[in-house]
Amino acid sequence: AQSVTQPDIHITVSEGASLELRCNYSYGATPYLFWYVQSPGQGLQLLLKYFSGDTLVQGIKGFEAEFKRSQSSFNLRKPSVHWSDAAEYFCAARGSQGNLIFGKGTKLSVKP
Amino acid sequence: GAVVSQHPSRVICKSGTSVKIECRSLDFQATTMFWYRQFPKQSLMLMATSNEGSKATYEQGVEKDKFLINHASLTLSTLTVTSAHPEDSSFYICSASPGFLRYGYTFGSGTRLTVV
Repeated sequence: AQSVTQPDIHITVSEGASLELRCNYSYGATPYLFWYVQSPGQGLQLLLKYFSGDTLVQGIKGFEAEFKRSQSSFNLRKPSVHWSDAAEYFCAARGSQGNLIFGKGTKLSVKP
Repeated sequence: GAVVSQHPSRVICKSGTSVKIECRSLDFQATTMFWYRQFPKQSLMLMATSNEGSKATYEQGVEKDKFLINHASLTLSTLTVTSAHPEDSSFYICSASPGFLRYGYTFGSGTRLTVV
């Protein structure tokens, strides 16, 4: 069965520091991969997506992600974190029914 | 573009009553919408796939008689939680796509249901 794994439940970084959130997927064919961000009590906002082509994907708010097939990974990065980036981040892959399969999420806290 | 509107954002109801949640695609037509449930501090789990003009497809373990889904038009899907119990309290989110390859999926803002 398809699955998405986010190994880190909670990460704390200092404002201005770089960030990398890990995501691994389990899927035989070329996956459709997404990163979403969720603020408390809110819906999900799409940060970026990968379907094909260039394996380094640029998203909104200065985020980027790199698809590495050999490692089955799609890690999210940001060179300099802002306090407003504190939120829950979800990695997802498109399932066989057209739905999204989500990882358990990584909560990001930002220290001043 | 590609906005999904979900109402209400928050609802409190008494045990045994029913609650209807609406999910609308505002600027595109959606033949398929997805309903997810999110428990506190957990991920989103697919409950069902809502198909316009036909029956919804429910995930294993989701009671179709408790969670009634109606997708009567290309812009509206509703989820009705019938005979609600406190354990139905959760965050419900819908999703649709105006064109997957270009837009991916768009999510509603979610509905916080509290059953007392």
